[in-house]
Amino acid sequence: DTEVTQTPKHLVMGMTNKKSLKCEQHMGHRAMYWYKQSAKKPLELMFVYSLEERVDNYSVPSRFSPECPNSSLLNLHLHALQPEDSALYLCASSQDRDRTGYTFGSGTRLTVV
Amino acid sequence: AQKITQTQPGMFVQEKEAVTLDCTYDTSDPSYGLFWYKQPSSGEMIFLIYQGSYDQQNATEGRYSLNFQKARKSANLVISASQLGDSAMYFCAMREGPFAQAGTALIFGKGTTLSVSS
Repeated sequence: DTEVTQTPKHLVMGMTNKKSLKCEQHMGHRAMYWYKQSAKKPLELMFVYSLEERVDNYSVPSRFSPECPNSSLLNLHLHALQPEDSALYLCASSQDRDRTGYTFGSGTRLTVV
Repeated sequence: AQKITQTQPGMFVQEKEAVTLDCTYDTSDPSYGLFWYKQPSSGEMIFLIYQGSYDQQNATEGRYSLNFQKARKSANLVISASQLGDSAMYFCAMREGPFAQAGTALIFGKGTTLSVSS
């Protein structure tokens, strides 16, 4: 079992819907990340949180809105998405001085219809 | 410019053979880390092996070893004695900067699909 839990595993939503993706980790990691994985593209980094503060400056459409209510939880709120936003959304967490890498969740496979 | 380049979209290997997956990287930071991940069809990213820029020896983890050539900026993954369960997508990734810098994300290559046949 992964130590980063993502829900839901699958999501189908219409372009006018509002939905949220949830990511939770209980390893005491201080940083959390959202990645988007589209077919035949590298993983695209969307958002970075460190100690509950957003620390990235990536240009992501405003229809994606991250939220970090506490150090264990990272949400991604979705609104008015486009079909090209259909992808696998992966959450990861990391600890400083973590030579073993970053722990990923199993992802949420999102389809926008 | 791409920071991580994986030039092999797909690789095919027979069971019990060794296979090398290529990865080159680009950074001007003297402190960095290189990672390899395996992604089966289920989607989860599984950490395989890590190499730090200051590590003197090539990393090894069971059947996985990393052929680190710093001057050439390459970090190839070698899988020995391939198994059917090794069939998956493999990603090379890099973290720039020292580990003490919190919230530094991994940058990934496009990946290589490995197919192992019996």
